[in-house]
Amino acid sequence: QKEVEQNSGPLSVPEGAIASLNCTYSDRVSQSFFWYRQYSGKSPELIMSIYSNGDKEDGRFTAQLNKASQYVSLLIRDSQPSDSATYLCAVNGIGAGNMLTFGGGTRLMVKP
Amino acid sequence: DADVTQTPRNRITKTGKRIMLECSQTKGHDRMYWYRQDPGLGLRLIYYSFDVKDINKGEISDGYSVSRQAQAKFSLSLESAIPNQTALYFCATSDLENTEAFFGQGTRLTVV
Repeated sequence: QKEVEQNSGPLSVPEGAIASLNCTYSDRVSQSFFWYRQYSGKSPELIMSIYSNGDKEDGRFTAQLNKASQYVSLLIRDSQPSDSATYLCAVNGIGAGNMLTFGGGTRLMVKP
Repeated sequence: DADVTQTPRNRITKTGKRIMLECSQTKGHDRMYWYRQDPGLGLRLIYYSFDVKDINKGEISDGYSVSRQAQAKFSLSLESAIPNQTALYFCATSDLENTEAFFGQGTRLTVV
């Protein structure tokens, strides 16, 4: 069983809609959770971090964390074609040394 | 200048050749990582280093070796490259307190 799971997609949404990306993780003691955006052939860039249960909003992005159910999600409101990318969920605390473990990523396609 | 710099950015090499990928950082972070990414897949950890004297294998270390020459420099070597090592390679750094990772621009390696 993979330690950080994401649906690989592609997730296709129309421009202006809400995109919902989900991630589940196996380690109950994980404390830090991150969402990275990666355009094809480029390096991942951090877009959201969340550390406590609930919602955290930053512009069009909202991260949601539920530690009891071991899932973290990312909502993108008013999706734009420029949001089309792969979104990587990352969780710390899995394995030795408090390192990040990445999910396989979800490919998002926003259609004009 | 980028905080995490990888060289070369692109490389084509022949099967059996030795190749070194270099990473340097100006963020002052103690922790450095090498990841591999194959098309459509997430990031897989090759090696990581928590300080100059501490180097550890990741999930896919076979066929690779590393050297941490200084706090700011972490090199990845393929002693005898093989075609299935064709991939996109990323170096990343983090500090102890905040586990988010900062990535280099990536090295696209092709082994023919």
